[in-house]
Amino acid sequence: NAGVTQTPKFQVLKTGQSMTLQCAQDMNHEYMSWYRQDPGMGLRLIHYSVGAGITDQGEVPNGYNVSRSTTEDFPLRLLSAAPSQTSVYFCASRPVLYTEAFFGQGTRLTVV
Amino acid sequence: DQQVKQNSPSLSVQEGRISILNCDYTNSMFDYFLWYKKYPAEGPTFLISISSIKDKNEDGRFTVFLNKSAKHLSLHIVPSQPGDSAVYFCAASALGKLIFGQGTTLQVKP
Repeated sequence: NAGVTQTPKFQVLKTGQSMTLQCAQDMNHEYMSWYRQDPGMGLRLIHYSVGAGITDQGEVPNGYNVSRSTTEDFPLRLLSAAPSQTSVYFCASRPVLYTEAFFGQGTRLTVV
Repeated sequence: DQQVKQNSPSLSVQEGRISILNCDYTNSMFDYFLWYKKYPAEGPTFLISISSIKDKNEDGRFTVFLNKSAKHLSLHIVPSQPGDSAVYFCAASALGKLIFGQGTTLQVKP
């Protein structure tokens, strides 16, 4: 049972490049979310999904897109990378409301 | 504006003593609250949770207290152990959205 899998683990991008951070879960969870962790800022919610085909914005959605075509996958797209998007990104999933979320190991992204 | 706040960036306690971590929230729609622990280079791991219909939940050395009127929750760790040293995040949930605080770094000294 792999849980929540994020790829890649590390990535360096040049300003203006685009890329997709992958997140997959094998627990058949309905809810999935993307967070970024920055020093002193904690974990900030970027986008989240309450089921396949349904996504919504979180606290810091600008510069990011998501889609949820299947229950298992929730990719995060950076449209045009900026140095301000240098961060550690975490994907999380949970089965239903009123339960805990399970996190992936994170993707460390550096934009130069 | 931050909806979930942890106003203490760090806390240091002696092994065997109690650690108390605090969290405040502003959104009355939050109805489920959680605490997570995080080590460097790892994803956060779940510790304990509480529903808004309760005011206390206990799991071994960890107890979470919820004061809805004050919009405040706290995590008590008794007794504290050196292995508890980590960053602790509180989180609040409403309508599928899970919002985290800034985190408190706990150091437990032997």
